[in-house]
Amino acid sequence: KAGVTQTPRYLIKTRGQQVTLSCSPISGHRSVSWYQQTPGQGLQFLFEYFSETQRNKGNFPGRFSGRQFSNSRSEMNVSTLELGDSALYLCASNKVAGSYEQYFGPGTRLTVT
Amino acid sequence: GENVEQHPSTLSVQEGDSAVIKCTYSDSASNYFPWYKQELGKRPQLIIDIRSNVGEKKDQRIAVTLNKTAKHFSLHITETQPEDSAVYFCAAKVPGGGADGLTFGKGTHLIIQP
Repeated sequence: KAGVTQTPRYLIKTRGQQVTLSCSPISGHRSVSWYQQTPGQGLQFLFEYFSETQRNKGNFPGRFSGRQFSNSRSEMNVSTLELGDSALYLCASNKVAGSYEQYFGPGTRLTVT
Repeated sequence: GENVEQHPSTLSVQEGDSAVIKCTYSDSASNYFPWYKQELGKRPQLIIDIRSNVGEKKDQRIAVTLNKTAKHFSLHITETQPEDSAVYFCAAKVPGGGADGLTFGKGTHLIIQP
């Protein structure tokens, strides 16, 4: 069974631009969560989607948003990029919303200049 | 919200020795405690987890213990090998509403000395 995939793997953007990241969960998994990983703050929860609905959201500004499609694929969008948004963005999938075991994708490395 | 503290931030042990990483959590409602291993440039991999109705779980050279009263849990790696070198993250999960994702510790960089 294929693992979680994320595209693109690397991105370089300029301050003020916006970016969209994509995540395809493990086949059969219906829940997707997004995390931001930085050296200073570690791994921080962004939001979780299940059945095309955002179930939960972490403590991030409204510039961070996402959506989920009927095939469970998810996208994450960051508008008006700031230097501090440079990070590794990881998505994780699990079978159902709120279930326990989460499996991570390889991440998208975003650099904002 | 939940807060997870992890110690030490760096741990260096001789190959073959044991390594112990400790985490404390703040929310007594947390009921799931996974450990992830992240090698340089790779994704976090779930290596072991424990639920709040269990005190200890073992998988070959890796074990996790949970003390609900003290709100801390630990990862134990015995007979360490070079491939155990990585950053290890503990996490805790509070069921139900709010930010329902995992709350992670800041990570422990485990170095296995040959």
